[in-house]
Amino acid sequence: EVQLQQSGPELVKPGASVKISCKASGYTFTDYNMHWVKQSHGKSLEWIGYIYPYNGGTGYNQKFKSKATLTVDNSSSTAYMELRSLTSEDSAVYYCARMVYAMDYWGQGTSVTVSS
Amino acid sequence: DIVMTQSPSSLAMSVGQKVTMSCKSSQSLLNSSNQKNYLAWYQQKPGQSPKLLVYFASTRESGVPDRFIGSGSGTDFTLTISSVQAEDLADYFCQQHYSTPPTFGGGTKLEIK
Repeated sequence: EVQLQQSGPELVKPGASVKISCKASGYTFTDYNMHWVKQSHGKSLEWIGYIYPYNGGTGYNQKFKSKATLTVDNSSSTAYMELRSLTSEDSAVYYCARMVYAMDYWGQGTSVTVSS
Repeated sequence: DIVMTQSPSSLAMSVGQKVTMSCKSSQSLLNSSNQKNYLAWYQQKPGQSPKLLVYFASTRESGVPDRFIGSGSGTDFTLTISSVQAEDLADYFCQQHYSTPPTFGGGTKLEIK
């Protein structure tokens, strides 16, 4: 059974960074792109970027290029997203999702709250 | 970026009724080389992650009930629920993956009367 298990909720101060993890199981991690999606205000979805674990290749939404960095650890089948210089606009739920023809499996989401 | 526009933003239906919701893209999602429309539909129930229902505009994901029907081509797409059930209470999003960045519609909220 394919599963994507994300790390727990984060409360961070403005200006700080946070690193979210997404541990994959039930499939060959290096065979599929891993995408990251932001959901703000409980509604709208925005694509942040993707990483191809096989070679570490990445692609980013221009809007998030200076905000997010995607990495992987193939030894543990885990994808990571680091968000930096956080502001209140970054408060949201962040999802990892495996993509084949579409995003067929999603993590449970990680809530990030930016507050002093 | 391709803009995805969904309508209506919300609707309320009774169990057993037919539901249709629309998704329009600012440019064609049809790949002329394989004749596939790069359009997906997702269901997000309260407090849960999105779940893939349909991809390539009309291909139902494995395990999705056959009352969920995707249709359309080019720039105009529809998700139909042939006989809505109480458990279909959710937000529904369309998403294009024809070009980068993939973009989502604003969603349609389905409420059950």
